Amino acid sequence: QKEVEQDPGPLSVPEGAIVSLNCTYSNSAFQYFMWYRQYSRKGPELLMYTYSSGNKEDGRFTAQVDKSSKYISLFIRDSQPSDSATYLCAMSLGGSQGNLIFGKGTKLSVKP
Amino acid sequence: EAGVTQFPSHSVIEKGQTVTLRCDPISGHDNLYWYRRVMGKEIKFLLHFVKESKQDESGMPNNRFLAERTGGTYSTLKVQPAELEDSGVYFCASRHAGETQYFGPGTRLLVL
Repeated sequence: QKEVEQDPGPLSVPEGAIVSLNCTYSNSAFQYFMWYRQYSRKGPELLMYTYSSGNKEDGRFTAQVDKSSKYISLFIRDSQPSDSATYLCAMSLGGSQGNLIFGKGTKLSVKP
Repeated sequence: EAGVTQFPSHSVIEKGQTVTLRCDPISGHDNLYWYRRVMGKEIKFLLHFVKESKQDESGMPNNRFLAERTGGTYSTLKVQPAELEDSGVYFCASRHAGETQYFGPGTRLLVL
């Protein structure tokens, strides 16, 4: 079983739609949860960062962590064509073991 | 503030040759990470430096890979001799203590 599972998509939505992206994980010791956005031929860019369970909102983006279900989500409201990218979930144990464990990424396309 | 930079952006070499990748972290970031994404797979951790010391090199695939960070500033990752399966995108990331990781644009390595 992979440590982090993420549906690779592709996911295609019309402009203005609400997008829901999800990851599940197996290691209950993960404490830090991140979402990265990666445009084609670029490096991952940090979008959202959450410690432990709960919700975090930043503009059109909301990140949710449910540690009891080992499930994290990223919601994008009023999606725009500029949101078209690959979205990667990542998590870590934290502290000195700060290396990130990534999902495969979900490729999102927002059509005008 | 300049982000993480990587050089070269692309490298095409033949099997058996040597390639050296360079990463310049964000100024003041003591933590430096190397990751790799091979085609169709998730981004995977290779190793972690704290200043010039290797904190964790559990992700290094074999002894053909050598990472250095002399003086605790930039880092190099040498692959010698390169094999076909070493092809992929090599990412470097850096972070300040207590913060999250910021990624560079990656080096695309193709071994023929």
